[in-house]
Amino acid sequence: DAGITQSPRHKVTETGTPVTLRCHQTENHRYMYWYRQDPGHGLRLIHYSYGVKDTDKGEVSDGYSVSRSKTEDFLLTLESATSSQTSVYFCAISEGQGDTGELFFGEGSRLTVL
Amino acid sequence: DQQVKQNSPSLSVQEGRISILNCDYTNSMFDYFLWYKKYPAEGPTFLISISSIKDKNEDGRFTVFLNKSAKHLSLHIVPSQPGDSAVYFCAASEGAGANSKLTFGKGITLSVRP
Repeated sequence: DAGITQSPRHKVTETGTPVTLRCHQTENHRYMYWYRQDPGHGLRLIHYSYGVKDTDKGEVSDGYSVSRSKTEDFLLTLESATSSQTSVYFCAISEGQGDTGELFFGEGSRLTVL
Repeated sequence: DQQVKQNSPSLSVQEGRISILNCDYTNSMFDYFLWYKKYPAEGPTFLISISSIKDKNEDGRFTVFLNKSAKHLSLHIVPSQPGDSAVYFCAASEGAGANSKLTFGKGITLSVRP
């Protein structure tokens, strides 16, 4: 199993509060991703990183920011949480060049915004 | 617009029979396709993939078929087992490799009846 740890695993917060989700990997993989899973939408890419301090937007990046100061950590921040950001968030990692594109996912972080 | 479509939200089959999960795509630039399996409260896990240079890929009980002209792929599970009950996501990308972003379908919930 890929060494991916997400924290917190569960969080309930109120609208307007900031929230940070952390993804930690022990695999030294270059690529890291944040997805959200919602009923009727499947998995949608929020942001991804292709190296330390190198990040880019996915298809649903509005309202989210990310940071990657170390290879092993990828943080997802909701500056001011809204109820529409209630979701299950998954971090994923990929190996370097030559990889077939397979992603390894963490166990998910369930966020509820009241 | 959804570029990867899994139009049937659920499928129920008898243990020992074949399960056929379908997926359609609209982006003709997609040339690498993957299936992921997800159990409740866990992250998705990679199941099988296929490149557009092939029309079939087999791994044990799992076979993926690709029909490029119809922009359609299917996952066959033979024989189906109760442990196969899960949500199955179809995903596609332009090219393989860690820098090729995956686009996921909404998922199909498979139930295998004992």
